[in-house]
Amino acid sequence: EAGVVQSPRYKIIEKKQPVAFWCNPISGHNTLYWYLQNLGQGPELLIRYENEEAVDDSQLPKDRFSAERLKGVDSTLKIQPAELGDSAVYLCASSSTPGGPYTGELFFGEGSRLTVL
Amino acid sequence: QKEVEQNSGPLSVPEGAIASLNCTYSDRGSQSFFWYRQYSGKSPELIMSIYSNGDKEDGRFTAQLNKASQYVSLLIRDSQPSDSATYLCAVKRSSSNTGKLIFGQGTTLQVKP
Repeated sequence: EAGVVQSPRYKIIEKKQPVAFWCNPISGHNTLYWYLQNLGQGPELLIRYENEEAVDDSQLPKDRFSAERLKGVDSTLKIQPAELGDSAVYLCASSSTPGGPYTGELFFGEGSRLTVL
Repeated sequence: QKEVEQNSGPLSVPEGAIASLNCTYSDRGSQSFFWYRQYSGKSPELIMSIYSNGDKEDGRFTAQLNKASQYVSLLIRDSQPSDSATYLCAVKRSSSNTGKLIFGQGTTLQVKP
């Protein structure tokens, strides 16, 4: 079974440029997450989708970040314009259950490492 | 105060020893607790989950939960160099039936041959 696929793995851009990350979750997983992970820190949730609906985007900086999950499968996370502080790893994860209190197995992709110069 | 706190380490143990990793959380009503392992440059993977007070064992791993003290720990017996990684504690909030996990910053474990 294929895992969560993300691209690109690495991206280097100048500040103020736009950037987009793509994620393909595990087949059949309805719940999709975007996390941000800074060096030496744990992942921080940016947005969570149940199918195509964003059910938790409270931590997404909406002035520059946007996300979409058309057709409830693939998802794209965009940053425009990028700032120096956006340099981090952007992790996509998926799970097969909508997240009741006794579930916590998220399957993560390899991440997209962004460097903003 | 962070919602989930871990000592960043590094925690260094000799091969064959017991590694003890600790985590505290602030939401007293939290119900679900998880340990993820993250190798350098890789993504996190779930290794243990625990929901009730007490111990839960899986092979060389034992998770311990004390809700009264708001404390979760992970013990790794017979530590191997391949266990060298960052261990992330994650907690699911009681108010959230929505799947949001709060991660700690992780503890880096180094197992020396």
